[in-house]
Amino acid sequence: AQTVTQSQPEMSVQEAETVTLSCTYDTSENNYYLFWYKQPPSRQMILVIRQEAYKQQNATENRFSVNFQKAAKSFSLKISDSQLGDTAMYFCAFGRQGGSEKLVFGKGTKLTVNP
Amino acid sequence: EPEVTQTPSHQVTQMGQEVILRCVPISNHLYFYWYRQILGQKVEFLVSFYNNEISEKSEIFDDQFSVERPDGSNFTLKIRSTKLEDSAMYFCASRAGGTIYFGEGSWLTVV
Repeated sequence: AQTVTQSQPEMSVQEAETVTLSCTYDTSENNYYLFWYKQPPSRQMILVIRQEAYKQQNATENRFSVNFQKAAKSFSLKISDSQLGDTAMYFCAFGRQGGSEKLVFGKGTKLTVNP
Repeated sequence: EPEVTQTPSHQVTQMGQEVILRCVPISNHLYFYWYRQILGQKVEFLVSFYNNEISEKSEIFDDQFSVERPDGSNFTLKIRSTKLEDSAMYFCASRAGGTIYFGEGSWLTVV
């Protein structure tokens, strides 16, 4: 079974600075996806970024980028130029490619962006 | 941008009552899911649904739970006899390609 670990329950960053959220996972699969989802106080689950395991290039989406280290099974999220609206819970998730492709989530990191 | 919609956004029910949570997945998606998030905890997979049948379910998804796609658009989660511990946010999701898109959730409170 796959597991996802987020070792930072809470983090804070000053507005306009950069912060990195950590995620590690355990799997014997070779083909899979990794995701970061943002959950603001409204509790909606918003997709931030996605990475296919077969791709060596790290995914980027505007101010959000990942550092994907397949051998180390590490998938960190970097948020550049942090904004107050980035304040939220961030969940790392693993999805095996094929079959139902259900997601396995980490416990989340609560990020606070301070003005 | 197409989105997954869920109703109701919040429901309060008496313990032992039946609850139906409704979802309209994104129209061209083929896989549908229900996830649950108890307050302060991580999101947990309940069930996946493909081609009008359950493709996978978790140990949480016991006989009290059922899913149905009664027509071409709706996807429902039924809890037959609610318990206090069923209080949670229930997320519907649908998938195309490798990405799962979530609805805004239905917050269920069992009293």
